[in-house]
Amino acid sequence: EAQVTQNPRYLITVTGKKLTVTCSQNMNHEYMSWYRQDPGLGLRQIYYSMNVEVTDKGDVPEGYKVSRKEKRNFPLILESPSPNQTSLYFCASSLSGRPYGYTFGSGTRLTVV
Amino acid sequence: AQTVTQSQPEMSVQEAETVTLSCTYDTSESDYYLFWYKQPPSRQMILVIRQEAYKQQNATENRFSVNFQKAAKSFSLKISDSQLGDAAMYFCAYRGYSGGGADGLTFGKGTHLIIQP
Repeated sequence: EAQVTQNPRYLITVTGKKLTVTCSQNMNHEYMSWYRQDPGLGLRQIYYSMNVEVTDKGDVPEGYKVSRKEKRNFPLILESPSPNQTSLYFCASSLSGRPYGYTFGSGTRLTVV
Repeated sequence: AQTVTQSQPEMSVQEAETVTLSCTYDTSESDYYLFWYKQPPSRQMILVIRQEAYKQQNATENRFSVNFQKAAKSFSLKISDSQLGDAAMYFCAYRGYSGGGADGLTFGKGTHLIIQP
């Protein structure tokens, strides 16, 4: 089944403890992206990647890191999480070229206390 | 930068009736795509419908259709014969196409659709 797999679905952590949210897609998509969703703000792009080893900042990159060492994986790293990073996170992927709709993962609910 | 505005935080409609969700956007690009996504309580993001800016014909997917007014930069979603399963948050989204690749999605803040039985 074609899908984007995010893990974990839920995560509670403490301020300053490094964490990684994994994202993997099995559709050979070149384009991958991370979004955060906050009430009343919609979804905002954190980072995106056009292909392996090519990443760039989105609208709200502060406090986040990403890497794209393989085409299928695009992990989101929070080196020192803070409470204002409590949010719902989505990974998404798509083919490049003519824009297609994204395929989204199921989301990760992160709480930083 | 592109912006997407959904002016209706919440809408309510009776089951079996028709409802229209509004979306406007601002861009200086000529080549772009517009989307409506549905997010039910399961929080999964589901693509409802897509419109290419270079196509004049409005997209339709079963009970879902759009009214795309390019000059007015308007992209509304019409849901006909509303069903209880249509209850969800609906997000309008814009994606540019800057040649050689595709830009990210810019989302509106969403409209919460309530279906009254």
